Amino acid sequence: DTGVSQNPRHKITKRGQNVTFRCDPISEHNRLYWYRQTLGQGPEFLTYFQNEAQLEKSRLLSDRFSAERPKGSFSTLEIQRTEQGDSAMYLCASSSAGQGIYEQYFGPGTRLTVT
Amino acid sequence: DQQVKQNSPSLSVQEGRISILNCDYTNSMFDYFLWYKKYPAEGPTFLISISSIKDKNEDGRFTVFLNKSAKHLSLHIVPSQPGDSAVYFCAPMNSGNTPLVFGKGTRLSVIA
Repeated sequence: DTGVSQNPRHKITKRGQNVTFRCDPISEHNRLYWYRQTLGQGPEFLTYFQNEAQLEKSRLLSDRFSAERPKGSFSTLEIQRTEQGDSAMYLCASSSAGQGIYEQYFGPGTRLTVT
Repeated sequence: DQQVKQNSPSLSVQEGRISILNCDYTNSMFDYFLWYKKYPAEGPTFLISISSIKDKNEDGRFTVFLNKSAKHLSLHIVPSQPGDSAVYFCAPMNSGNTPLVFGKGTRLSVIA
Protein backbone atom coordinates (compact mmCIF):
# COMPACT_ATOMS: atom_id res chain seq x y z
CA ASP A 1 0.00 0.00 0.00
CA THR A 2 1.74 3.14 -1.23
CA GLY A 3 -0.88 5.63 -0.11
CA VAL A 4 -2.62 8.25 -2.20
CA SER A 5 -0.56 9.60 -5.08
CA GLN A 6 -1.07 12.76 -7.10
CA ASN A 7 0.47 13.94 -10.33
CA PRO A 8 1.93 16.31 -11.17
CA ARG A 9 3.23 17.68 -7.88
CA HIS A 10 3.65 21.14 -9.33
CA LYS A 11 2.06 22.85 -12.31
CA ILE A 12 2.72 26.35 -13.64
CA THR A 13 0.39 27.53 -16.35
CA LYS A 14 -0.60 30.74 -18.05
CA ARG A 15 -3.98 32.27 -17.52
CA GLY A 16 -6.53 30.88 -19.93
CA GLN A 17 -4.88 27.48 -20.35
CA ASN A 18 -6.48 24.18 -19.34
CA VAL A 19 -4.87 21.90 -16.77
CA THR A 20 -5.60 18.36 -15.63
CA PHE A 21 -4.53 16.68 -12.41
CA ARG A 22 -4.57 13.00 -11.58
CA CYS A 23 -5.18 11.21 -8.28
CA ASP A 24 -4.62 7.52 -7.55
CA PRO A 25 -6.32 6.53 -4.28
CA ILE A 26 -5.43 3.76 -1.88
CA SER A 27 -6.39 0.64 -3.82
CA GLU A 28 -9.15 -0.72 -1.57
CA HIS A 29 -10.79 2.67 -0.98
CA ASN A 30 -14.05 3.29 -2.82
CA ARG A 31 -14.46 6.96 -1.88
CA LEU A 32 -12.32 9.69 -3.41
CA TYR A 33 -12.39 13.39 -2.55
CA TRP A 34 -10.95 16.57 -4.00
CA TYR A 35 -10.14 19.56 -1.81
CA ARG A 36 -8.44 22.88 -2.49
CA GLN A 37 -6.21 24.77 -0.06
CA THR A 38 -5.12 28.37 -0.39
CA LEU A 39 -2.57 30.19 1.73
CA GLY A 40 -3.60 30.60 5.36
CA GLN A 41 -6.74 28.52 4.97
CA GLY A 42 -7.68 24.97 5.70
CA PRO A 43 -8.55 22.62 2.84
CA GLU A 44 -11.97 23.28 1.29
CA PHE A 45 -14.12 20.51 -0.14
CA LEU A 46 -14.68 20.49 -3.90
CA THR A 47 -16.28 17.15 -4.81
CA TYR A 48 -16.36 13.46 -4.00
CA PHE A 49 -16.98 10.11 -5.65
CA GLN A 50 -18.17 6.79 -4.39
CA ASN A 51 -16.84 4.31 -6.93
CA GLU A 52 -17.46 6.02 -10.28
CA ALA A 53 -20.46 8.08 -9.15
CA GLN A 54 -19.91 11.75 -8.34
CA LEU A 55 -22.12 12.18 -5.30
CA GLU A 56 -21.56 15.76 -4.24
CA LYS A 57 -20.13 18.98 -5.63
CA SER A 58 -19.35 22.09 -3.64
CA ARG A 59 -20.56 25.49 -4.83
CA LEU A 60 -16.83 26.27 -5.05
CA LEU A 61 -16.69 24.01 -8.10
CA SER A 62 -17.51 26.44 -10.88
CA ASP A 63 -18.46 25.25 -14.35
CA ARG A 64 -14.80 25.58 -15.39
CA PHE A 65 -14.00 22.63 -13.13
CA SER A 66 -14.83 19.04 -13.96
CA ALA A 67 -13.89 15.84 -12.20
CA GLU A 68 -14.17 12.25 -13.32
CA ARG A 69 -13.53 8.82 -11.93
CA PRO A 70 -14.29 6.67 -14.95
CA LYS A 71 -13.67 3.17 -13.61
CA GLY A 72 -13.94 3.83 -9.92
CA SER A 73 -10.17 3.83 -9.54
CA PHE A 74 -8.10 6.94 -10.36
CA SER A 75 -9.67 10.36 -10.76
CA THR A 76 -8.89 13.45 -12.80
CA LEU A 77 -9.67 17.07 -12.04
CA GLU A 78 -9.67 19.44 -15.00
CA ILE A 79 -9.73 23.22 -14.83
CA GLN A 80 -10.57 25.00 -18.06
CA ARG A 81 -9.59 28.59 -18.86
CA THR A 82 -7.54 28.93 -15.70
CA GLU A 83 -7.63 32.18 -13.73
CA GLN A 84 -5.11 33.57 -11.25
CA GLY A 85 -7.58 32.87 -8.47
CA ASP A 86 -7.28 29.15 -9.24
CA SER A 87 -3.72 29.18 -7.86
CA ALA A 88 -3.84 26.81 -4.90
CA MET A 89 -2.86 23.39 -3.61
CA TYR A 90 -5.25 20.73 -4.93
CA LEU A 91 -5.54 17.81 -2.56
CA CYS A 92 -6.98 14.38 -3.15
CA ALA A 93 -8.08 12.03 -0.37
CA SER A 94 -9.57 8.56 -0.23
CA SER A 95 -11.48 6.51 2.31
CA SER A 96 -13.44 3.31 2.74
CA ALA A 97 -17.20 3.48 2.99
CA GLY A 98 -17.29 0.97 5.83
CA GLN A 99 -19.48 1.18 8.89
CA GLY A 100 -18.09 3.75 11.28
CA ILE A 101 -14.96 4.35 9.19
CA TYR A 102 -14.61 8.00 8.31
CA GLU A 103 -10.90 8.75 8.20
CA GLN A 104 -9.74 10.25 4.93
CA TYR A 105 -6.15 9.80 3.77
CA PHE A 106 -4.59 12.55 1.73
CA GLY A 107 -2.09 12.60 -1.09
CA PRO A 108 0.80 15.08 -1.28
CA GLY A 109 -1.18 17.53 -3.39
CA THR A 110 -0.67 19.32 -6.69
CA ARG A 111 0.41 22.93 -6.39
CA LEU A 112 -1.01 25.02 -9.23
CA THR A 113 0.39 28.43 -10.07
CA VAL A 114 -1.45 30.47 -12.69
CA THR A 115 0.62 33.34 -14.10
CA ASP B 1 -19.73 31.81 7.96
CA GLN B 2 -17.02 29.75 9.57
CA GLN B 3 -18.35 26.48 10.90
CA VAL B 4 -15.00 25.54 12.43
CA LYS B 5 -12.77 27.95 14.29
CA GLN B 6 -9.25 27.44 15.50
CA ASN B 7 -8.71 30.73 17.24
CA SER B 8 -5.00 30.39 17.90
CA PRO B 9 -3.10 30.79 14.62
CA SER B 10 0.11 29.78 16.33
CA LEU B 11 1.38 28.16 19.51
CA SER B 12 4.89 27.81 20.85
CA VAL B 13 5.73 25.14 23.44
CA GLN B 14 8.92 23.88 25.01
CA GLU B 15 10.01 20.33 24.31
CA GLY B 16 8.67 17.93 26.92
CA ARG B 17 5.75 20.16 27.92
CA ILE B 18 2.09 19.77 27.00
CA SER B 19 0.67 21.28 23.80
CA ILE B 20 -3.06 22.08 23.81
CA LEU B 21 -4.74 22.95 20.55
CA ASN B 22 -8.35 24.11 20.58
CA CYS B 23 -11.20 23.97 18.11
CA ASP B 24 -14.75 25.34 18.25
CA TYR B 25 -17.56 24.46 15.89
CA THR B 26 -21.05 25.73 15.26
CA ASN B 27 -22.77 22.95 13.28
CA SER B 28 -24.65 20.65 15.66
CA MET B 29 -24.89 18.04 12.88
CA PHE B 30 -21.18 17.27 13.20
CA ASP B 31 -20.80 13.88 14.87
CA TYR B 32 -17.26 12.80 14.01
CA PHE B 33 -14.16 14.85 14.59
CA LEU B 34 -10.71 14.38 13.12
CA TRP B 35 -7.35 16.03 13.65
CA TYR B 36 -4.76 16.28 10.91
CA LYS B 37 -1.14 17.35 10.97
CA LYS B 38 0.41 19.07 7.99
CA TYR B 39 4.03 19.72 7.12
CA PRO B 40 4.93 22.25 4.39
CA ALA B 41 4.57 20.97 0.83
CA GLU B 42 2.85 17.77 2.02
CA GLY B 43 -0.75 16.68 2.27
CA PRO B 44 -2.48 16.50 5.67
CA THR B 45 -1.73 13.39 7.72
CA PHE B 46 -4.49 11.84 9.81
CA LEU B 47 -3.65 11.97 13.50
CA ILE B 48 -6.57 11.00 15.72
CA SER B 49 -10.36 11.07 15.72
CA ILE B 50 -13.28 10.98 18.09
CA SER B 51 -16.93 10.09 17.70
CA SER B 52 -19.63 12.24 19.27
CA ILE B 53 -20.62 9.32 21.50
CA LYS B 54 -17.31 9.68 23.34
CA ASP B 55 -15.73 12.53 25.24
CA LYS B 56 -12.13 11.35 25.11
CA ASN B 57 -9.91 9.33 22.83
CA GLU B 58 -6.26 8.59 23.44
CA ASP B 59 -3.53 7.32 21.17
CA GLY B 60 -0.02 7.36 22.57
CA ARG B 61 1.05 10.96 23.20
CA PHE B 62 -2.13 12.32 21.61
CA THR B 63 -5.47 12.76 23.37
CA VAL B 64 -8.56 14.42 21.97
CA PHE B 65 -11.31 15.74 24.26
CA LEU B 66 -14.81 16.56 23.07
CA ASN B 67 -17.30 18.78 24.88
CA LYS B 68 -20.48 18.53 22.81
CA SER B 69 -22.52 20.95 24.87
CA ALA B 70 -19.88 23.63 24.38
CA LYS B 71 -19.20 22.55 20.78
CA HIS B 72 -15.53 22.47 21.64
CA LEU B 73 -12.74 19.99 21.19
CA SER B 74 -9.09 20.03 22.07
CA LEU B 75 -6.00 18.06 21.15
CA HIS B 76 -3.41 17.42 23.83
CA ILE B 77 0.11 16.36 22.95
CA VAL B 78 2.29 15.24 25.81
CA PRO B 79 5.22 15.26 25.93
CA SER B 80 5.71 17.58 22.98
CA GLN B 81 8.63 16.82 20.67
CA PRO B 82 10.37 18.99 18.06
CA GLY B 83 9.04 16.66 15.33
CA ASP B 84 5.52 17.69 16.33
CA SER B 85 6.16 21.14 14.87
CA ALA B 86 3.57 21.44 12.09
CA VAL B 87 0.18 22.96 11.30
CA TYR B 88 -2.68 21.14 12.99
CA PHE B 89 -6.17 21.13 11.52
CA CYS B 90 -9.42 20.31 13.22
CA ALA B 91 -11.82 18.69 10.72
CA PRO B 92 -15.31 17.71 11.85
CA MET B 93 -17.86 15.99 9.67
CA ASN B 94 -21.42 14.74 9.59
CA SER B 95 -20.99 11.00 9.22
CA GLY B 96 -24.04 10.91 6.95
CA ASN B 97 -22.44 13.46 4.64
CA THR B 98 -18.79 12.66 4.26
CA PRO B 99 -16.90 15.86 3.32
CA LEU B 100 -14.62 17.19 6.02
CA VAL B 101 -14.92 20.81 7.11
CA PHE B 102 -11.53 22.17 8.09
CA GLY B 103 -10.55 24.97 10.43
CA LYS B 104 -7.79 27.38 9.40
CA GLY B 105 -5.23 25.50 11.43
CA THR B 106 -2.87 26.20 14.32
CA ARG B 107 0.87 26.30 13.70
CA LEU B 108 2.64 24.50 16.56
CA SER B 109 6.30 25.14 17.19
CA VAL B 110 8.03 22.90 19.71
CA ILE B 111 11.25 24.45 20.89
CA ALA B 112 14.10 22.22 21.99
